[in-house]
Amino acid sequence: EDKVVQSPLSLVVHEGDTVTLNCSYEVTNFRSLLWYKQEKKAPTFLFMLTSSGIEKKSGRLSSILDKKELSSILNITATQTGDSAIYLCAVLTFSGAGSYQLTFGKGTKLSVIP
Amino acid sequence: DVKVTQSSRYLVKRTGEKVFLECVQDMDHENMFWYRQDPGLGLRLIYFSYDVKMKEKGDIPEGYSVSREKKERFSLILESASTNQTSMYLCASSSFQGSIQYFGAGTRLSVL
Repeated sequence: EDKVVQSPLSLVVHEGDTVTLNCSYEVTNFRSLLWYKQEKKAPTFLFMLTSSGIEKKSGRLSSILDKKELSSILNITATQTGDSAIYLCAVLTFSGAGSYQLTFGKGTKLSVIP
Repeated sequence: DVKVTQSSRYLVKRTGEKVFLECVQDMDHENMFWYRQDPGLGLRLIYFSYDVKMKEKGDIPEGYSVSREKKERFSLILESASTNQTSMYLCASSSFQGSIQYFGAGTRLSVL
């Protein structure tokens, strides 16, 4: 059974801090790893990582995949209260039946306090 | 911008009722998905569809069925709602197999 584990499950930081969120996985037929940010409603897409060692950046957020360690990190620098959300990690796998499936971790709840 | 619309944000139903959750996407995406999200359990896949009239079971299909009569619309059906189906239901779509999934705002269903 495919497994995606995120840590920590929750985190409280002060504005301006830098945070690192972790995601590890045990899956068969890995295709890519995705990060989503979920505030009050729909998860919104952040990054899709397919190749190991290549950092993806968007503003203060960055992420990298380590296929050897079967893990990924999501970094947020100079955190703001607007970064408060649940961050979801998901792994896309290819099934033998010719379809793809996304398996989610339980999420990391980040709270940024002023 | 991709738009995935779920018909209701909040829904309250009684045990035993038949419940329909509707999802519509406006990007001509091939693939559509239904998840439920529960505290401590994360998002779990209920059903997905890669084509019109085609459906496949996800990880937790028991107690649910789906319908995809048109490409843009994917419905989740609870034949006889039970209290353990109280949850947040999220619909998603993607353009092709293995591509990024875009989510709707979710329907918070309470079964009393």
